[in-house]
Amino acid sequence: GAVVSQHPSRVICKSGTSVKIECRSLDFQATTMFWYRQFPKKSLMLMATSNEGSKATYEQGVEKDKFLINHASLTLSTLTVTSAHPEDSSFYICSARPHWDTRYEQYFGPGTRLTVT
Amino acid sequence: AQSVTQPDIHITVSEGASLELRCNYSYGATPYLFWYVQSPGQGLQLLLKYFSGDTLVQGIKGFEAEFKRSQSSFNLRKPSVHWSDAAEYFCAVDFNQAGTALIFGKGTTLSVSS
Repeated sequence: GAVVSQHPSRVICKSGTSVKIECRSLDFQATTMFWYRQFPKKSLMLMATSNEGSKATYEQGVEKDKFLINHASLTLSTLTVTSAHPEDSSFYICSARPHWDTRYEQYFGPGTRLTVT
Repeated sequence: AQSVTQPDIHITVSEGASLELRCNYSYGATPYLFWYVQSPGQGLQLLLKYFSGDTLVQGIKGFEAEFKRSQSSFNLRKPSVHWSDAAEYFCAVDFNQAGTALIFGKGTTLSVSS
């Protein structure tokens, strides 16, 4: 149980275009989902926290107009990278916290590799 | 500032040998502590966690970790490493004990030699 999927696993887009990444909790409802960014040989950096039905909370330094997060349902959150540039190329990972969890454990998706050319 | 330090960037261990990966965190209170493993192309898998109680916690795949409050450490151990353990290991801390942000260390790459 507690499986999180991400789609697509890899995406290549041209500079200036937008790309949407989906994060789904497959067998549980997630009241809270998190979006992380991982640079090569670096740790994960939290970008934002999204709660179902409310606006996402962005970490300091993350451009909310560039990284649009929508958590429209208890099983789906999306991250849209708008007007992507090569420096946005990275590995994006989402995680989800089950609504029944009392220990605040997060379950991670497999990640999405974004390459902006 | 809250931070998590994994002092070893890369460790190579012979198959069958013991392993210890170090993790230290800043801040005085007792946070929630996690160890995750990431294999190439895979998501993060939780190895074990500590919230309270017994300071020695057992996890999956034969891993264990010990919380030492006096040293602000949460080191991961395995008595006998298998080739399949080669991966990236991350220590993560929830400083607020509130299920909000996890602060990750930079990770330790484990290589296993035969």
